[in-house]
Amino acid sequence: EIVLTQSPATLSLSPGERATLSCRASQSVSSYLGWYQQKPGQAPRLLIHAASNRATGIPARFSGSGSGTDFTLTISSLEPEDFAVYYCQQRADWPMTFGQGTRLEIK
Amino acid sequence: EVQLVESGGGLVKPGGSLRLSCAASGFTLSYYSVNWIRQAPGKGLEWVSSITTTSTYIYYSDLVKGRFTISRDNAQNSVYLQMNSLRAEDTAVYYCARIIGDNGYGSGHYDLWGQGTLVTVSS
Repeated sequence: EIVLTQSPATLSLSPGERATLSCRASQSVSSYLGWYQQKPGQAPRLLIHAASNRATGIPARFSGSGSGTDFTLTISSLEPEDFAVYYCQQRADWPMTFGQGTRLEIK
Repeated sequence: EVQLVESGGGLVKPGGSLRLSCAASGFTLSYYSVNWIRQAPGKGLEWVSSITTTSTYIYYSDLVKGRFTISRDNAQNSVYLQMNSLRAEDTAVYYCARIIGDNGYGSGHYDLWGQGTLVTVSS
């Protein structure tokens, strides 16, 4: 099973700041990695698929990069609505797995 | 409106059964592979099961293999999850989700999720 490790577990930032979230895979997943945002009481929302492709309707301040084992989700300038939990997910091998999440909180 | 709606959750005793449904509206579900993903209270996301468009390929997490059965009825625009021999550790919100970028085997990323249905296994 491919293990995804996200860091940091919690990130405290202010609106307008830049956020950098990391996801590291225990073995290569090529570019088969996605990022999701989840707010309390809501289903997750797809932000990025195939490592760097923004999903439909996702603002340009969200960007993804990386390949192989190291991936990054960057939010260029935080908006109040961006404070949430973020998960990465790999689809390279069965079982598909998620990272444990990064909580982005307001400083 | 394009959406997925889950139903069938509830409170069940250990060893009991439930059948979850995932109904699509606003689009044709038969064009997509569908997965079930669950989230235990206060925890992260966990993939449960996957089914391709014509049910050719079906996969399960080792944690539910032999107890859960995924199926679909494309005429009804729906996917189902039959859950038997339920355990306390199966307690979670269960989401169905539509796959994009399907490799033909039912894996991909999830571009549309339902709102989830809560399954509680407790005596």
